[in-house]
Amino acid sequence: DGGITQSPKYLFRKEGQNVTLSCEQNLNHDAMYWYRQDPGQGLRLIYYSQIVNDFQKGDIAEGYSVSREKKESFPLTVTSAQKNPTAFYLCASTLSGQGLHEQFFGPGTRLTVL
Amino acid sequence: KQEVTQIPAALSVPEGENLVLNCSFTDSAIYNLQWFRQDPGKGLTSLLLIQSSQREQTSGRLNASLDKSSGRSTLYIAASQPGDSATYLCAVLTDSWGKLQFGAGTQVVVTP
Repeated sequence: DGGITQSPKYLFRKEGQNVTLSCEQNLNHDAMYWYRQDPGQGLRLIYYSQIVNDFQKGDIAEGYSVSREKKESFPLTVTSAQKNPTAFYLCASTLSGQGLHEQFFGPGTRLTVL
Repeated sequence: KQEVTQIPAALSVPEGENLVLNCSFTDSAIYNLQWFRQDPGKGLTSLLLIQSSQREQTSGRLNASLDKSSGRSTLYIAASQPGDSATYLCAVLTDSWGKLQFGAGTQVVVTP
């Protein structure tokens, strides 16, 4: 089955810790995205990548970092510099970023700061 | 900056009634508009994608219209069922990089 997988489903972080969220897709999509969702709010873009070894900041990139070493993988690291990281994190991908194709989403990771 | 608004924030209808969900955006220069469904604690499921050159798109009981000049899209769900209960989000694509701008969603409850 083709799709997007995210792991873990739930993640707990202590103050001062960095944590990494995994996102993998087997759809052969070029572009991948990370969004953050807070209760009652729409999704906000953190980072996106159109091609391997290249990525750009979204609207709320501060306190986050990413890498794109393989086409199918786009991990997100939430660093200790992110002051309010408790949220639902969603990864998405699309065939290309040319505005012609749907974005497909993974099941999400819920991050809680203890 | 593009702003996307969905009103109402919540909606409750009896089973069998048609659902009408609204989405408005401030900048008509969009590439496309996408409607999603989200169940509690889950990811987003794509429902319909309307390209900027299209006026509407249909899939089964779902029909979405797009009026770029007025900055509006409407999602119609015919003959609603309890299984349609979910949050529905619209998003507009504002550039060729694939950056979606989302509304906050409309939470729908269909009562049996």
